[in-house]
Amino acid sequence: IAGITQAPTSQILAAGRRMTLRCTQDMRHNAMYWYRQDLGLGLRLIHYSNTAGTTGKGEVPDGYSVSRANTDDFPLTLASAVPSQTSVYFCASSLIAGGWDTQYFGPGTRLTVL
Amino acid sequence: DQQVKQNSPSLSVQEGRISILNCDYTNSMFDYFLWYKKYPAEGPTFLISISSIKDKNEDGRFTVFLNKSAKHLSLHIVPSQPGDSAVYFCAATPGNSGGSNYKLTFGKGTLLTVNP
Repeated sequence: IAGITQAPTSQILAAGRRMTLRCTQDMRHNAMYWYRQDLGLGLRLIHYSNTAGTTGKGEVPDGYSVSRANTDDFPLTLASAVPSQTSVYFCASSLIAGGWDTQYFGPGTRLTVL
Repeated sequence: DQQVKQNSPSLSVQEGRISILNCDYTNSMFDYFLWYKKYPAEGPTFLISISSIKDKNEDGRFTVFLNKSAKHLSLHIVPSQPGDSAVYFCAATPGNSGGSNYKLTFGKGTLLTVNP
């Protein structure tokens, strides 16, 4: 049982390039989330999906888009990367779409935009 | 506007002693609180939670206390062990109270170092 996997583990990207961070869970969880972690700012929600086929905006959605075509996958796309998007990105999932339900996090993707 | 505040960026304690990590919140709609623990190069993992209908929840060496009137919660670790050294995030949610119930709001985290 893998839980949540994220790819790539790390990436260096030139500004202006398009990038998709992948996230896959095998727990059949309904809800999935994308967070970014920045030093001194903690974890901030970018986008979320309560169930397959639906998505919503979190606290810092600008510059990011997501899709949820099926239960397992929740990719995060940066259409045109900027240096301020340098961060560690965590994908998470929970069985129930609710903050009170335990969220299971992936190992993260470290992204550097130059 | 930071709704969940962890005002101590770091805390250092001796092995065997008590670690107390504090968290304050401003949103009176929050009624469920969680602590997550994060080791370097790993994703956060759930540690313990508490509902606003309780003022204490205990799980082994970990106890969370909630003071709703003060909008304050704390995580106690007794006794502290070197393996507890990690970043601890406090998080809060309005719970099942409508459209915003899906969002978990995190604090900035506190780095706990337990010295042998």
